[in-house]
Amino acid sequence: EDQVTQSPEALRLQEGESSSLNCSYTVSGLRGLFWYRQDPGKGPEFLFTLYSAGEEKEKERLKATLTKKESFLHITAPKPEDSATYLCAVQARKAAGNKLTFGGGTRVLVKP
Amino acid sequence: DAGVIQSPRHEVTEMGQEVTLRCKPISGHDYLFWYRQTMMRGLELLIYFNNNVPIDDSGMPEDRFSAKMPNASFSTLKIQPSEPRDSAVYFCASRKTGSTLYGYTFGSGTRLTVV
Repeated sequence: EDQVTQSPEALRLQEGESSSLNCSYTVSGLRGLFWYRQDPGKGPEFLFTLYSAGEEKEKERLKATLTKKESFLHITAPKPEDSATYLCAVQARKAAGNKLTFGGGTRVLVKP
Repeated sequence: DAGVIQSPRHEVTEMGQEVTLRCKPISGHDYLFWYRQTMMRGLELLIYFNNNVPIDDSGMPEDRFSAKMPNASFSTLKIQPSEPRDSAVYFCASRKTGSTLYGYTFGSGTRLTVV
C-alpha cells in the first residue's frame, strides 16, 4: 500500500528564516510526486510535479527536490504570505486513474 | 475558467438526515474525484469517475455513501443517513487525460457538520 509521511506537522518561522519540509514515501513504482499548497477554507492548489530522483522544480521562494525515498520542499526567505499547509502526494505507476495518495501535510506559519 | 465549483460551501444537518453535495468539474476534464479531509485522516479518496463512469469506489466508507455523475458537468455525493462521524470537508477535483503534469484541480470544498 502506498504511504506518504510528512514532517514536521507544524513549522513556525520568522520572516526571512529559510527552512525545509520533508515528505517520505513508499510506493511500488513512482509515476509522480506532487506538492500542493492549501490555504484555510480552500482546496489544495497545485505547485509542482516531480518524476524522477534528482529532479528539482522552483517557483518563487519554493524549491522542490526528489530522491528515491523522499522529497523536500525548501522555503527560502519566506514571507507571511507563504503561510499555508503544504501537502505532498504520490502517484503510483500502477495507480488506475492516476489516483493520488496524500500525506498529512505540514502547517507553516511565517511571522513578520 | 471558473474552476471546479462545489455547493454548498457549508452544510449543517442533524444525524439521520440525507445530505447531498454537488460538484461541477472544469469543462473538458474527463476525470472527477471525491476526497474527504479530516484532521485525523487527512485527504482520503472516496471515489473517482472517468467519462462519467465510476471506476473505483473502494474508498467509500459505507453503504450510506453513494455518488453519481449523470453527465460530464455534474456529480453528486450523497450520504443517507448522515452520522456525526461524517463531519469533514469534502472536496471534488477534476483533471484531463494527459494533463498529469499539472495534477488535479480542486474545488473549494463543502464543510459538512452533522450534529
